[in-house]
Amino acid sequence: EDQVTQSPEALRLQEGESSSLNCSYTVSGLRGLFWYRQDPGKGPEFLFTLYSAGEEKEKERLKATLTKKESFLHITAPKPEDSATYLCAVQVYEGGADGLTFGKGTHLIIQP
Amino acid sequence: DGGITQSPKYLFRKEGQNVTLSCEQNLNHDAMYWYRQDPGQGLRLIYYSQIVNDFQKGDIAEGYSVSREKKESFPLTVTSAQKNPTAFYLCASSPTRTGGIYGYTFGSGTRLTVV
Repeated sequence: EDQVTQSPEALRLQEGESSSLNCSYTVSGLRGLFWYRQDPGKGPEFLFTLYSAGEEKEKERLKATLTKKESFLHITAPKPEDSATYLCAVQVYEGGADGLTFGKGTHLIIQP
Repeated sequence: DGGITQSPKYLFRKEGQNVTLSCEQNLNHDAMYWYRQDPGQGLRLIYYSQIVNDFQKGDIAEGYSVSREKKESFPLTVTSAQKNPTAFYLCASSPTRTGGIYGYTFGSGTRLTVV
């Protein structure tokens, strides 16, 4: 069974304090790993797709990396507006269930 | 602007009642999905459709039904057989079943509450 585990469940940082969120996965064959941001009461907003180990993507203060077993979302010098729940999801090759398998998310709070 | 529209934003259901959640997209995407989100749990796949007039069950399809008569529309009916329907429901679409480099596009969600 495909599994996605995100840690920590919640993280509170001071503005400007850099950190990383973790997404570990156990799948039969990874097609892609996705990161989303979700604000309260809203739908997830796409951030990144990673396809192969060693790949990195950046967007403003966010940088996503991928290894064969996990992905990290690095947040550099975060601002209060970066507060949100960050979701990780995986998609597998044929033979696995279609759609994305999501982790439970990391709830990030950035204090001014 | 292109996107996915879910309605209503809030919905209240009485015991034994069927309710239908609307999902419309103008992105010309082939694939559409319904997810359920509960506090402390990841999004769980209810149903998905890769083409008009075809759809497949996801992980938690019991108590739900869907139709895909038009490419733009993928309504979800929560039937009285769904014993715990209170949740946040999310509709998503993608250009193809693989999602492509931009992943899935999500709607803003419908919050369903049983009263």
